Amino acid sequence: DTEVTQTPKHLVMGMTNKKSLKCEQHMGHRAMYWYKQKAKKPPELMFVYSYEKLSINESVPSRFSPECPNSSLLNLHLHALQPEDSALYLCASSQVRTVRGNTIYFGEGSWLTVV
Amino acid sequence: QKEVEQNSGPLSVPEGAIASLNCTYSDRVSQSFFWYRQYSGKSPELIMSIYSNGDKEDGRFTAQLNKASQYVSLLIRDSQPSDSATYLCAVTYSGAGSYQLTFGKGTKLSVIP
Repeated sequence: DTEVTQTPKHLVMGMTNKKSLKCEQHMGHRAMYWYKQKAKKPPELMFVYSYEKLSINESVPSRFSPECPNSSLLNLHLHALQPEDSALYLCASSQVRTVRGNTIYFGEGSWLTVV
Repeated sequence: QKEVEQNSGPLSVPEGAIASLNCTYSDRVSQSFFWYRQYSGKSPELIMSIYSNGDKEDGRFTAQLNKASQYVSLLIRDSQPSDSATYLCAVTYSGAGSYQLTFGKGTKLSVIP
């Protein structure tokens, strides 16, 4: 079982709605990530937080707004999304290392449908 | 452009056979290599990580890394129908604090009973 927990597992929202995806990890990791995955495609990195500070934003539209309230929690606030934003949104976490790459552990994901 | 290439498959093997999944990467300074398994409709699950040249074994899984050839593979021995999934090869590159995990497009494996 993954130790990265995401809620909700499924979300349907209209294009004018505001909603949030939530993620929690208790592995003591200090790096947390949001990925987006479309059908039959690999995950695409959206954001990286390191020590609760945003360190990477992969040119994601402003209708996606990440937030890291503390070292265990990561949120993704959604507003004015488009139908093409429908996808599986994956939260992940890892230790922070600079010598070797980090082993990244994924949550079960949140399926988002924008109508 | 840092790239990770995988044969998209599908790769079909009979139950009990060895499944061989291959991956090449473009950047010689790549440091860490991972294999994730993803069942349809589920999130990626880490299967193996490997950092040094050679083989690393874990149960029925063996990861092989050859940095000179920029090649990493995953062997699954005694393949079972439950191994049917998409296998994602992923590589981290130095530079951005090793946060940049680049995925291949995945190889779909079908194990035929």
